Amino acid sequence: DVKVTQSSRYLVKRTGEKVFLECVQDMDHENMFWYRQDPGLGLRLIYFSYDVKMKEKGDIPEGYSVSREKKERFSLILESASTNQTSMYLCASSYPGGSYEQYFGPGTRLTVT
Amino acid sequence: GENVEQHPSTLSVQEGDSAVIKCTYSDSASNYFPWYKQELGKRPQLIIDIRSNVGEKKDQRIAVTLNKTAKHFSLHITETQPEDSAVYFCAASNAGGTSYGKLTFGQGTILTVHP
Repeated sequence: DVKVTQSSRYLVKRTGEKVFLECVQDMDHENMFWYRQDPGLGLRLIYFSYDVKMKEKGDIPEGYSVSREKKERFSLILESASTNQTSMYLCASSYPGGSYEQYFGPGTRLTVT
Repeated sequence: GENVEQHPSTLSVQEGDSAVIKCTYSDSASNYFPWYKQELGKRPQLIIDIRSNVGEKKDQRIAVTLNKTAKHFSLHITETQPEDSAVYFCAASNAGGTSYGKLTFGQGTILTVHP
């Protein structure tokens, strides 16, 4: 059974703080993704990574960066948190080829005040 | 890039009725179309998917149809039950090659099944 975990379920940060969200998967998946989920907007891709130290921007990368130093861990970084980054953040992983199914983490509800 | 539009945004049905959710996509190179279900407070999970070489796929009470010419695909749920209440997301991908399994999601449909 694939297990994707995220470091926090709920997080409250102040405007201007640097925020780290971490995601870990235990299935040796090459691909990992960060999404934000907002009502009426679906899941929007922020960044994804297809291998260690490899990353590509998604559809809404502004204000975010990522780090993937180890295959199982993919971190999302908010360099200077702003109130418009208040959202649900979901991490996912998948194995290249085969089913392409993405396995999601439980999500982190981030509030920036 | 790919753009996926999903309708309706909310859908309310009586238990036992059928529910249909529709999506359109823009990139003719997309060839993989999954549907995810997200129950309240839980993570999205894949419920069914279809590839572009197939027109229809069924799994018990759920089915997905694909019209490549019109670039639209639909999720059909028959004999709905209260446990079908959730948010449903469609997605599209140009699976394989350098896409790395990247998905473009629709906006989501909140399905409510009334007992």
